[in-house]
Amino acid sequence: AQKITQTQPGMFVQEKEAVTLDCTYDTSDQSYGLFWYKQPSSGEMIFLIYQGSYDEQNATEGRYSLNFQKARKSANLVISASQLGDSAMYFCAMREGENRDDKIIFGKGTRLHILP
Amino acid sequence: DAGVIQSPRHEVTEMGQEVTLRCKPISGHDYLFWYRQTMMRGLELLIYFNNNVPIDDSGMPEDRFSAKMPNASFSTLKIQPSEPRDSAVYFCASSLLTGGLSGELFFGEGSRLTVL
Repeated sequence: AQKITQTQPGMFVQEKEAVTLDCTYDTSDQSYGLFWYKQPSSGEMIFLIYQGSYDEQNATEGRYSLNFQKARKSANLVISASQLGDSAMYFCAMREGENRDDKIIFGKGTRLHILP
Repeated sequence: DAGVIQSPRHEVTEMGQEVTLRCKPISGHDYLFWYRQTMMRGLELLIYFNNNVPIDDSGMPEDRFSAKMPNASFSTLKIQPSEPRDSAVYFCASSLLTGGLSGELFFGEGSRLTVL
């Protein structure tokens, strides 16, 4: 079964609009971490933001914020004021840690296109 | 400080040949991961190490794949014999797991493998 689900294979958004990329996860652990990565067309993987399962506040990093809804097992990435350079693949990932497994697994990704 | 270094960046080989991919993690990091990325299957975790010890190799597709980490600064992923379906981008990533569950992955630029 998929542990990380990203239901939007592709999205088109007008420049300067806010974007929400969906991510749901499945774990029975109480302690885990959630990550978002960006992969531009050049191929490198860029870390964007991290949320710990015990963090009470939603994580924010510049224009990126993570809408963490623990009961729903949802960790959506919000990009405010989108820019052309935001066009890329975005991956949600999870590290489960209750059993110190420390494995990090990725969703299938969402390809975001920002339109001028 | 240098990031994760992978070599070769590109490899084209013929079916049946042995392929060796190399990775130098960030100095001081205690986890090393090998991922494979394809259009069809996304980012798949192949194997990961903690302090040079393989922790989970359940993602290694078959016996043709092997990985080693002889010391803290070097890891190899070997495919022998290679097949066309092994064509993919292979990423190495390292991380430092502190007391909590933070510790994002730092990715190398990837090794693009094409097996003819």
